[in-house]
Amino acid sequence: QVQLVQSGGEVKKPGASVKVSCKASGYTFTGYYIHWVRQAPGQGLEWMGWINPNSGATDYAQRFQGRVTMTRDTSMSTAYVELSRLRSDDTAVYFCARSRITNYYYFMDVWGKGTTITVSS
Amino acid sequence: EIVLTQSPGTLSLSPGERATLSCRASQSVGSSSLAWYQQKPGQAPRFLIYGSSSRATGIPDRFSGSGSGTDFTLTISRLEPEDSAVYYCQHYGSSPPTWTFGQGTRVEIK
Repeated sequence: QVQLVQSGGEVKKPGASVKVSCKASGYTFTGYYIHWVRQAPGQGLEWMGWINPNSGATDYAQRFQGRVTMTRDTSMSTAYVELSRLRSDDTAVYFCARSRITNYYYFMDVWGKGTTITVSS
Repeated sequence: EIVLTQSPGTLSLSPGERATLSCRASQSVGSSSLAWYQQKPGQAPRFLIYGSSSRATGIPDRFSGSGSGTDFTLTISRLEPEDSAVYYCQHYGSSPPTWTFGQGTRVEIK
């Protein structure tokens, strides 16, 4: 079945970097964008950006520009997000999700279970 | 940048009642780029509605979406206990590419 399996949670110190993985299975990895969406404790959903696994092209939300890097390994059907210069307010659950590479309907139909990143000294 | 404002913040209703959730955009948006999600505690969001009014595969027909321009609505026609969740609307804008979520509406079943 179609699924996105994320790496396990991590605890990081302020100023460090973290890299989270998202392994896709059950579909053609290069046919769908991979998004990263985060959710701080008790808060709503925040889109961080997306990567086109076919081309490697990325778009990042403005507030994460300069701090976030999204990459992919097509041989492993895996996408990655790396967030640097971590702050306490980066503590959140980080989700990956897919959306079809299309120019009409825009939605995320499959989500990973989430990876909890805790930033604490 | 388009802002999505959802109302009410919380809806408390009894099983069998009708729930009406609103999502208002700060400027007119295309219906094809408006979607809805359901999120239960400790879980990932679940995709419900795309193109403003089309149900995703496997979504019960008690869930329906409508709207255009700046005003969109998610309706749950006959609430069931398992519908207790937070519901988010989402929009995609192309210039620059940006995906925006509303702040969510919590539906509580009495």
